[in-house]
Amino acid sequence: AQSVTQLDSQVPVFEEAPVELRCNYSSSVSVYLFWYVQYPNQGLQLLLKYLSGSTLVKGINGFEAEFNKSQTSFHLRKPSVHISDTAEYFCAVSDPNFGNEKLTFGTGTRLTIIP
Amino acid sequence: NAGVTQTPKFRVLKTGQSMTLLCAQDMNHEYMYWYRQDPGMGLRLIHYSVGEGTTAKGEVPDGYNVSRLKKQNFLLGLESAAPSQTSVYFCASRGTGAHEQYFGPGTRLTVT
Repeated sequence: AQSVTQLDSQVPVFEEAPVELRCNYSSSVSVYLFWYVQYPNQGLQLLLKYLSGSTLVKGINGFEAEFNKSQTSFHLRKPSVHISDTAEYFCAVSDPNFGNEKLTFGTGTRLTIIP
Repeated sequence: NAGVTQTPKFRVLKTGQSMTLLCAQDMNHEYMYWYRQDPGMGLRLIHYSVGEGTTAKGEVPDGYNVSRLKKQNFLLGLESAAPSQTSVYFCASRGTGAHEQYFGPGTRLTVT
């Protein structure tokens, strides 16, 4: 069974500072990896995804993530955050060999940007 | 193109009452999903459907039923609501061969 761990439940960061949100997963098979963002009172929106190929994945709003197979990690980074990045961020994993590709989500990291 | 819509946006139920949440998508997606979101627990899959007329159980199916009579609609039913079902419910859909799930705006349900 797959699982996703987001160790940091809350991350406060000053505006224009860099940020890294950590995600580790456990799976015995190859996986697809995703980061979703949820702005207050809204649904989830895809930030970026890793399916195969280059381990550095670029997404929307200046975010990027690096897939590290040996460390089973998929950390999300942004070099300079903005107030509008305040949101909750969810890491998710799916098994490409399981036909319907169900997503397993982490518990989320709430990113708060301090002016 | 509305994407994924959910009805209603908010609802308050008394224990034992029943209700149905409606999810509709206009993207001709085969796959549809119902999740619940609770503080500190992320999203958990309740039921899902791989096509019209099919449904399957997810991680936390107890107390819920679903139906997919039309490809574009996925209904989630609570026959006898319990306070433990107080949550925010999200519907999502995905196209065949795609990997991204598209989410609706959510329904906030309170059971007193």
